Amino acid sequence: SAVISQKPSRDICQRGTSLTIQCQVDSQVTMMFWYRQQPGQSLTLIATANQGSEATYESGFVIDKFPISRPNLTFSTLTVSNMSPEDSSIYLCSVLRLETRSTQYFGPGTRLTVL
Amino acid sequence: AQKITQTQPGMFVQEKEAVTLDCTYDTSDQSYGLFWYKQPSSGEMIFLIYQGSYDEQNATEGRYSLNFQKARKSANLVISASQLGDSAMYFCAMREGPGGYQKVTFGTGTKLQVIP
Repeated sequence: SAVISQKPSRDICQRGTSLTIQCQVDSQVTMMFWYRQQPGQSLTLIATANQGSEATYESGFVIDKFPISRPNLTFSTLTVSNMSPEDSSIYLCSVLRLETRSTQYFGPGTRLTVL
Repeated sequence: AQKITQTQPGMFVQEKEAVTLDCTYDTSDQSYGLFWYKQPSSGEMIFLIYQGSYDEQNATEGRYSLNFQKARKSANLVISASQLGDSAMYFCAMREGPGGYQKVTFGTGTKLQVIP
């Protein structure tokens, strides 16, 4: 398994501001992802965080709104930029090791409320 | 088309009874993986069980078992001897894609409520 921590665990932010969420893993992992879970909804993949290169974004998500960094194999950040109330969600970091029985683990999530 | 379909938005089960949560999937990949996660009201995503597409045996983890029917593309979760703490959202998910480009897609979830 992998131990994943996220900071902050929750935040309340004003419209128009930006928030950076950090994700730290206790061991090197091959793949890191960022998901969004809007209230009462399932998880939606925002992007795959690539080490040393630009993240790979899913349809409907763009780098200007959700810039992502991954400087090494154990750390990544997601920034939610120019926030609006529609960005209120839980943001989850997730990791996947490419092994025979690849299992994906999630961090505890960051609960974001935008006023 | 939906990659992962969970047709039961909500389910009730009596404590100590078994319950089956349905999941069907759609992929053209030969190699893929299927997951079940539990999400209690606290919001954390708890990994429950994994089934690889080439696994011949159904996966089991304690009270959880995955009824994998490859030809029907179904991966139902069976929880035996339900407990009150099992009340939560349950998500089925599928990993697919080649090598370093794999990603996991989630179903819409099933809310399970265990009745005393």
